[in-house]
Amino acid sequence: DGGITQSPKYLFRKEGQNVTLSCEQNLNHDAMYWYRQDPGQGLRLIYYSQIVNDFQKGDIAEGYSVSREKKESFPLTVTSAQKNPTAFYLCASSPTGTSLHEQYFGPGTRLTVT
Amino acid sequence: GNSVTQMEGPVTLSEEAFLTINCTYTATGYPSLFWYVQYPGEGLQLLLKATKADDKGSNKGFEATYRKETTSFHLEKGSVQVSDSAVYFCALPERGSNYKLTFGKGTLLTVNP
Repeated sequence: DGGITQSPKYLFRKEGQNVTLSCEQNLNHDAMYWYRQDPGQGLRLIYYSQIVNDFQKGDIAEGYSVSREKKESFPLTVTSAQKNPTAFYLCASSPTGTSLHEQYFGPGTRLTVT
Repeated sequence: GNSVTQMEGPVTLSEEAFLTINCTYTATGYPSLFWYVQYPGEGLQLLLKATKADDKGSNKGFEATYRKETTSFHLEKGSVQVSDSAVYFCALPERGSNYKLTFGKGTLLTVNP
């Protein structure tokens, strides 16, 4: 089955540590995205990538970094510079062509930093 | 830029009740419009979409009509089930972007048996 996997589902870290969230897709989509979701708020875009080896900052990129070395993979690193890292993180991908804006989401990773 | 405004929740209904979740948009031109659903503890799933004015998107008993006169894309279902309890997001493409979506803040629906 095609889809997006994110691991782990729950992640706990101590303040001051960097942490990397995994996102893998086998949908053959060119574009991938990272969102942050906080309680009672909508989704906020962190980074997105239209193609391998290229990515752009979203609305809240400060304190985060990404890489896109393979089409299938788009890991997100939450650095110690991110002031409020505790949140639910969602990865998504989308095809090109007529379904350009249809985004497919992974199950999410809930990160707790104490 | 493009934006969406959703009715604030939470919305609580009894099983078999009629559902409407309001969504209005501001946009340049006539972009595609989307409804996404997020079940508890999961990621978002595309529920339905409409790609041009007067189109009706439908899926799993849910419907939404793209109305340019009222700049609206309200989500409706004639008879909700407990399993429809979720957060619903209205979305449209960000102006000038081939990739980015702008999401509403989401509306939490709880259906009681």
